[in-house]
Amino acid sequence: EAEVAQSPRYKITEKSQAVAFWCDPISGHATLYWYRQILGQGPELLVQFQDESVVDDSQLPKDRFSAERLKGVDSTLKIQPAELGDSAMYLCASSLGTGRADTQYFGPGTRLTVL
Amino acid sequence: DAKTTQPPSMDCAEGRAANLPCNHSTISGNEYVYWYRQIHSQGPQYIIHGLKNNETNEMASLIITEDRKSSTLILPHATLRDTAVYYCIVRVANRDDKIIFGKGTRLHILP
Repeated sequence: EAEVAQSPRYKITEKSQAVAFWCDPISGHATLYWYRQILGQGPELLVQFQDESVVDDSQLPKDRFSAERLKGVDSTLKIQPAELGDSAMYLCASSLGTGRADTQYFGPGTRLTVL
Repeated sequence: DAKTTQPPSMDCAEGRAANLPCNHSTISGNEYVYWYRQIHSQGPQYIIHGLKNNETNEMASLIITEDRKSSTLILPHATLRDTAVYYCIVRVANRDDKIIFGKGTRLHILP
């Protein structure tokens, strides 16, 4: 069964450093989502792509976060500089993207710890 | 804000059916009911979804009331591996919008 791949699974960094997370969606999925999950809470959307275009980045802290999906396939989420409050699980999800509430499938996540 | 209400936690004995309720009294006619679960330190896992009719797959059954204001997720024979947080979510049928997660129900399967 096809799965969403994410790397790394765990990342420890010091504040003010730069970090990057990678996501490879299920083949053929046009829509890609990055969510952030703080411990004890549900995931919240950071950014949504349709192919290579950003559809929703209203909750992305643009002063320090950036996301790209250059060829409309895999995606990278970057934080520079990292802050203590960025410690969280970063989840990538993908869906077919037909515009009809397609099921979103999530990857295993990247657990970020900022010291 | 999430448009669903779920109990914060539930217990179920191993081997028994786990029935997880969800209230979505403001659901619109074009909104699906989706269920996901999240096992500790893993990404959310899709379970099942429905619009009006009851649905069943290899993981669970979804029972939606006739007025669509509430639903129940049924895990027919719960195992220890079913211990997780279960999220009930409503999604508009004709858009690929983000999922808005609530607090979910923490299900404990007891040996």
